Amino acid sequence: NAGVMQNPRHLVRRRGQEARLRCSPMKGHSHVYWYRQLPEEGLKFMVYLQKENIIDESGMPKERFSAEFPKEGPSILRIQQVVRGDSAAYFCASSPDGLGQSEFGPGTRLLVL
Amino acid sequence: AQTVTQSQPEMSVQEAETVTLSCTYDTSESDYYLFWYKQPPSRQMILVIRQEAYKQQNATENRFSVNFQKAAKSFSLKISDSQLGDAAMYFCAYRRGTGANSKLTFGKGITLSVRP
Repeated sequence: NAGVMQNPRHLVRRRGQEARLRCSPMKGHSHVYWYRQLPEEGLKFMVYLQKENIIDESGMPKERFSAEFPKEGPSILRIQQVVRGDSAAYFCASSPDGLGQSEFGPGTRLLVL
Repeated sequence: AQTVTQSQPEMSVQEAETVTLSCTYDTSESDYYLFWYKQPPSRQMILVIRQEAYKQQNATENRFSVNFQKAAKSFSLKISDSQLGDAAMYFCAYRRGTGANSKLTFGKGITLSVRP
């Protein structure tokens, strides 16, 4: 029973490029949460999605960041025109519903040169 | 808004000894959950222990136990018989108990080192 999958595990981008981070939730989970962990910091909530819906995006930066969770396929966190300050670990967590325990993926380490 | 505070950035413990990691939180809600997560060098987030606010009994999981003081809004983690594999970052986290949104609010974490 595969856990939460994230890919790529490591991503290097130059300033101004786009970064696409993917998250495949656990089987049977239809709720996805994205978190960002800056160096030497704890995880900060970014966005909460259900299939085809954004439920809570209170932690998303207002510009350059977007997220989706289509009916088919993984959830995508997209960062346009990356800057060095976007370098961080991005974690995805999934749950079967909005109440259940979240399971974390291994994270994607984004490095912006 | 809920906040979680971990004021100790680092701690060290001798192997086989006991260590306590501190956490305080602030919330106006009465129904919530508290968690301790472990993050080893692999960066994987591993759930260590979970406490429901409505339960007076402190949660325990093998060598891990918590001291949950609801009135003081304190939630410390005690690790007994520390092992080298316990060395990691530990994060305290909060989640609302009501409403369909399981998002977590994390503290800044504490780095635990274990001396052989």
